[in-house]
Amino acid sequence: GQNIDQPTEMTATEGAIVQINCTYQTSGFNGLFWYQQHAGEAPTFLSYNVLDGLEEKGRFSSFLSRSKGYSYLLLKELQMKDSASYLCASMDSNYQLIWGAGTKLIIKP
Amino acid sequence: GAVVSQHPSRVICKSGTSVKIECRSLDFQATTMFWYRQFPKKSLMLMATSNEGSKATYEQGVEKDKFLINHASLTLSTLTVTSAHPEDSSFYICSAPATSGSSSGANVLTFGAGSRLTVL
Repeated sequence: GQNIDQPTEMTATEGAIVQINCTYQTSGFNGLFWYQQHAGEAPTFLSYNVLDGLEEKGRFSSFLSRSKGYSYLLLKELQMKDSASYLCASMDSNYQLIWGAGTKLIIKP
Repeated sequence: GAVVSQHPSRVICKSGTSVKIECRSLDFQATTMFWYRQFPKKSLMLMATSNEGSKATYEQGVEKDKFLINHASLTLSTLTVTSAHPEDSSFYICSAPATSGSSSGANVLTFGAGSRLTVL
Protein backbone atom coordinates (compact mmCIF):
# COMPACT_ATOMS: atom_id res chain seq x y z
CA GLY A 1 0.00 0.00 0.00
CA GLN A 2 0.92 3.65 -0.12
CA ASN A 3 2.09 5.27 3.06
CA ILE A 4 3.74 8.44 4.29
CA ASP A 5 5.22 8.60 7.79
CA GLN A 6 6.31 11.71 9.62
CA PRO A 7 6.42 12.61 13.31
CA THR A 8 3.23 13.99 14.77
CA GLU A 9 4.80 16.81 16.71
CA MET A 10 8.20 18.39 17.33
CA THR A 11 9.38 21.18 19.60
CA ALA A 12 12.36 23.44 18.98
CA THR A 13 13.83 26.68 20.29
CA GLU A 14 13.84 30.01 18.49
CA GLY A 15 17.11 30.48 16.62
CA ALA A 16 17.89 26.77 16.56
CA ILE A 17 17.80 24.17 13.76
CA VAL A 18 15.21 21.43 13.37
CA GLN A 19 14.99 18.50 10.98
CA ILE A 20 11.62 16.97 10.12
CA ASN A 21 11.87 13.48 8.66
CA CYS A 22 9.53 11.78 6.24
CA THR A 23 9.53 8.24 4.90
CA TYR A 24 7.37 7.22 2.00
CA GLN A 25 6.11 4.19 0.15
CA THR A 26 4.17 4.93 -3.00
CA SER A 27 3.30 3.19 -6.24
CA GLY A 28 5.91 4.79 -8.42
CA PHE A 29 7.56 8.07 -7.61
CA ASN A 30 7.42 11.45 -9.27
CA GLY A 31 8.79 13.69 -6.59
CA LEU A 32 8.55 14.62 -2.94
CA PHE A 33 6.89 17.84 -1.79
CA TRP A 34 6.99 19.77 1.46
CA TYR A 35 4.23 22.20 2.38
CA GLN A 36 3.77 24.51 5.36
CA GLN A 37 0.34 24.94 6.86
CA HIS A 38 -0.54 27.42 9.57
CA ALA A 39 -3.58 26.61 11.66
CA GLY A 40 -6.80 27.39 9.85
CA GLU A 41 -5.05 28.21 6.59
CA ALA A 42 -4.35 26.39 3.36
CA PRO A 43 -0.94 24.78 2.76
CA THR A 44 1.77 26.75 1.01
CA PHE A 45 4.48 25.20 -1.11
CA LEU A 46 7.98 24.98 0.36
CA SER A 47 10.02 22.57 -1.74
CA TYR A 48 10.10 19.85 -4.35
CA ASN A 49 12.74 17.11 -4.74
CA VAL A 50 12.81 14.57 -7.52
CA LEU A 51 16.55 13.82 -7.58
CA ASP A 52 18.69 12.63 -4.69
CA GLY A 53 20.41 15.29 -2.70
CA LEU A 54 19.90 18.52 -0.88
CA GLU A 55 17.96 21.52 -2.21
CA GLU A 56 18.58 24.72 -0.32
CA LYS A 57 16.25 27.68 -0.34
CA GLY A 58 17.08 30.32 2.22
CA ARG A 59 16.52 29.10 5.76
CA PHE A 60 14.79 25.96 4.48
CA SER A 61 16.47 22.95 2.89
CA SER A 62 15.02 19.66 1.72
CA PHE A 63 16.81 16.38 1.20
CA LEU A 64 15.81 13.28 -0.72
CA SER A 65 17.11 9.71 -0.89
CA ARG A 66 15.03 7.73 -3.35
CA SER A 67 16.75 4.43 -2.57
CA LYS A 68 15.76 4.79 1.08
CA GLY A 69 12.33 6.33 0.48
CA TYR A 70 13.38 9.11 2.80
CA SER A 71 13.26 12.89 2.88
CA TYR A 72 13.80 15.58 5.44
CA LEU A 73 13.03 19.25 5.76
CA LEU A 74 15.66 21.29 7.56
CA LEU A 75 14.74 24.62 9.07
CA LYS A 76 17.54 26.90 10.26
CA GLU A 77 17.49 30.02 12.42
CA LEU A 78 14.03 29.20 13.60
CA GLN A 79 11.59 32.03 14.05
CA MET A 80 8.36 32.07 16.00
CA LYS A 81 6.43 32.40 12.73
CA ASP A 82 7.77 28.99 11.70
CA SER A 83 5.35 27.43 14.17
CA ALA A 84 3.08 25.48 11.84
CA SER A 85 2.36 22.04 10.51
CA TYR A 86 4.70 20.71 7.85
CA LEU A 87 3.20 18.31 5.36
CA CYS A 88 5.23 15.77 3.41
CA ALA A 89 3.65 14.49 0.18
CA SER A 90 4.88 11.99 -2.37
CA MET A 91 3.68 12.03 -5.95
CA ASP A 92 2.94 8.57 -7.26
CA SER A 93 3.09 7.16 -10.78
CA ASN A 94 -0.35 8.61 -11.56
CA TYR A 95 0.84 12.06 -10.51
CA GLN A 96 -1.41 11.93 -7.47
CA LEU A 97 -0.11 13.34 -4.20
CA ILE A 98 -0.11 11.03 -1.22
CA TRP A 99 -0.10 13.16 1.90
CA GLY A 100 1.42 12.57 5.30
CA ALA A 101 -0.59 13.60 8.35
CA GLY A 102 1.74 16.51 8.97
CA THR A 103 4.24 17.39 11.69
CA LYS A 104 3.21 20.10 14.09
CA LEU A 105 6.26 22.19 14.88
CA ILE A 106 6.18 24.18 18.10
CA ILE A 107 8.75 26.93 18.50
CA LYS A 108 9.59 28.10 21.99
CA PRO A 109 11.32 31.39 22.83
CA GLY B 1 3.36 33.53 -8.91
CA ALA B 2 0.29 31.45 -9.62
CA VAL B 3 -2.71 32.21 -7.42
CA VAL B 4 -5.89 30.29 -6.82
CA SER B 5 -8.72 32.39 -5.45
CA GLN B 6 -11.22 30.46 -3.36
CA HIS B 7 -14.42 31.76 -1.81
CA PRO B 8 -16.25 31.92 0.41
CA SER B 9 -13.62 31.58 3.11
CA ARG B 10 -16.25 30.85 5.71
CA VAL B 11 -19.85 29.79 5.38
CA ILE B 12 -22.46 28.81 7.91
CA CYS B 13 -25.61 27.18 6.66
CA LYS B 14 -28.64 25.33 7.91
CA SER B 15 -28.94 21.60 7.57
CA GLY B 16 -30.57 20.63 4.27
CA THR B 17 -29.36 23.59 2.27
CA SER B 18 -26.75 23.56 -0.49
CA VAL B 19 -23.49 25.46 -0.47
CA LYS B 20 -21.32 26.34 -3.45
CA ILE B 21 -17.57 26.90 -3.19
CA GLU B 22 -15.72 28.49 -6.09
CA CYS B 23 -12.09 28.29 -7.07
CA ARG B 24 -10.61 30.47 -9.75
CA SER B 25 -7.10 30.32 -11.13
CA LEU B 26 -5.64 33.77 -11.61
CA ASP B 27 -3.06 34.38 -14.33
CA PHE B 28 -2.91 30.75 -15.36
CA GLN B 29 -5.14 28.11 -16.84
CA ALA B 30 -6.11 25.24 -14.60
CA THR B 31 -7.11 22.29 -16.72
CA THR B 32 -7.15 20.23 -13.54
CA MET B 33 -8.41 21.15 -10.09
CA PHE B 34 -8.09 18.98 -7.01
CA TRP B 35 -10.63 19.22 -4.21
CA TYR B 36 -9.57 18.27 -0.71
CA ARG B 37 -11.28 17.99 2.62
CA GLN B 38 -9.40 18.38 5.87
CA PHE B 39 -10.58 17.48 9.34
CA PRO B 40 -8.98 19.13 12.38
CA LYS B 41 -5.46 17.87 12.99
CA LYS B 42 -5.75 15.50 10.05
CA SER B 43 -4.08 15.36 6.67
CA LEU B 44 -5.63 16.47 3.42
CA MET B 45 -8.07 13.98 1.96
CA LEU B 46 -8.46 14.08 -1.80
CA MET B 47 -12.15 14.08 -2.64
CA ALA B 48 -12.12 14.44 -6.39
CA THR B 49 -10.23 15.65 -9.41
CA SER B 50 -11.99 17.89 -11.85
CA ASN B 51 -10.93 18.36 -15.43
CA GLU B 52 -12.14 21.16 -17.65
CA GLY B 53 -14.78 19.96 -20.04
CA SER B 54 -15.23 16.48 -18.58
CA LYS B 55 -16.75 14.75 -15.59
CA ALA B 56 -14.91 14.84 -12.30
CA THR B 57 -13.19 11.74 -10.97
CA TYR B 58 -14.22 10.96 -7.42
CA GLU B 59 -12.16 9.10 -4.85
CA GLN B 60 -13.53 5.95 -3.32
CA GLY B 61 -16.08 6.65 -0.65
CA VAL B 62 -16.91 10.17 -1.84
CA GLU B 63 -20.55 10.58 -2.91
CA LYS B 64 -20.63 12.30 -6.27
CA ASP B 65 -24.30 13.20 -5.88
CA LYS B 66 -23.51 14.81 -2.56
CA PHE B 67 -20.45 16.74 -3.68
CA LEU B 68 -21.14 18.13 -7.13
CA ILE B 69 -18.08 19.34 -8.97
CA ASN B 70 -18.18 21.43 -12.10
CA HIS B 71 -15.19 22.61 -14.09
CA ALA B 72 -16.85 24.98 -16.48
CA SER B 73 -13.81 26.77 -17.80
CA LEU B 74 -10.04 26.76 -17.67
CA THR B 75 -10.14 29.19 -14.76
CA LEU B 76 -13.16 28.12 -12.71
CA SER B 77 -14.07 25.00 -10.78
CA THR B 78 -16.90 24.75 -8.28
CA LEU B 79 -17.80 22.33 -5.49
CA THR B 80 -21.42 22.24 -4.37
CA VAL B 81 -22.26 20.46 -1.13
CA THR B 82 -25.86 19.43 -1.60
CA SER B 83 -28.33 18.94 1.23
CA ALA B 84 -25.62 19.69 3.75
CA HIS B 85 -25.62 17.98 7.14
CA PRO B 86 -23.58 18.73 10.26
CA GLU B 87 -21.16 15.91 9.42
CA ASP B 88 -20.26 17.80 6.25
CA SER B 89 -18.79 20.56 8.37
CA SER B 90 -15.12 20.70 7.43
CA PHE B 91 -12.37 22.69 5.77
CA TYR B 92 -12.53 22.34 1.98
CA ILE B 93 -9.52 23.29 -0.11
CA CYS B 94 -8.97 23.39 -3.84
CA SER B 95 -5.66 23.28 -5.62
CA ALA B 96 -4.39 23.38 -9.16
CA PRO B 97 -1.05 22.44 -10.66
CA ALA B 98 0.95 25.38 -11.89
CA THR B 99 4.45 25.56 -13.26
CA SER B 100 6.78 26.18 -10.36
CA GLY B 101 9.30 28.12 -12.35
CA SER B 102 12.05 26.03 -10.80
CA SER B 103 14.81 24.41 -12.76
CA SER B 104 13.09 21.08 -12.41
CA GLY B 105 10.05 22.48 -14.22
CA ALA B 106 7.82 20.67 -11.81
CA ASN B 107 4.14 21.45 -11.62
CA VAL B 108 3.51 22.52 -8.06
CA LEU B 109 0.12 22.49 -6.48
CA THR B 110 -1.12 25.96 -5.71
CA PHE B 111 -3.81 25.98 -3.07
CA GLY B 112 -6.80 28.18 -2.59
CA ALA B 113 -7.16 29.73 0.85
CA GLY B 114 -9.75 27.16 1.85
CA SER B 115 -13.41 27.34 2.81
CA ARG B 116 -14.57 26.50 6.31
CA LEU B 117 -18.07 25.10 6.19
CA THR B 118 -20.19 24.89 9.31
CA VAL B 119 -23.57 23.19 9.00
CA LEU B 120 -25.95 23.85 11.86
